[in-house]
Amino acid sequence: KQEVTQIPAALSVPEGENLVLNCSFTDSAIYNLQWFRQDPGKGLTSLLLIQSSQREQTSGRLNASLDKSSGRSTLYIAASQPGDSATYLCAVGLKGQNFVFGPGTRLSVLP
Amino acid sequence: DTEVTQTPKHLVMGMTNKKSLKCEQHMGHRAMYWYKQKAKKPPELMFVYSYEKLSINESVPSRFSPECPNSSLLNLHLHALQPEDSALYLCASSHVGGRGVTGELFFGEGSRLTVL
Repeated sequence: KQEVTQIPAALSVPEGENLVLNCSFTDSAIYNLQWFRQDPGKGLTSLLLIQSSQREQTSGRLNASLDKSSGRSTLYIAASQPGDSATYLCAVGLKGQNFVFGPGTRLSVLP
Repeated sequence: DTEVTQTPKHLVMGMTNKKSLKCEQHMGHRAMYWYKQKAKKPPELMFVYSYEKLSINESVPSRFSPECPNSSLLNLHLHALQPEDSALYLCASSHVGGRGVTGELFFGEGSRLTVL
């Protein structure tokens, strides 16, 4: 059974820092990996989608990498801002429209 | 248009009530999903519809009854719920790629359900 973990569980940084969030999965047989952010009480906003054949994707200050063989993905956030404060979740896409989510990393960026 | 719209945003119901949650998307996606999310936990998959057919049912109690009337709409009918069913219910949609490969998931804002 696929299991997804995220480290750290929570992170607090001063504004302007570059930071890395980690996602690990136990079974490398994935179709894709997606990173989301979630603000309290809201839905999930898609940040980046990496297909299993890709190594990384970039969008603005965000860069996500995927190493399928080692079961790891990282989300790099450059020059963090208070508006980046949210919970960040990764999800691995399996066969048949099945996604497994990690527990999330709660990020606080302090002004 | 990359929106998934869910109604109502908030719902309070008693244990004997019957209510429905609704979800709509106009992105041409042929897979639609219901997830349940408790506070400070990740979303848990409940149901998946692919081409308007139920493809995944994660052993959800029968008091939750999904319906997919057409490719744009997804409903979740609620009956005789328990207080522990109180949660944020999220709808999502995605393309279905070749050989069943799944595209990017897009979520709605959710329906906050409270069962008294």
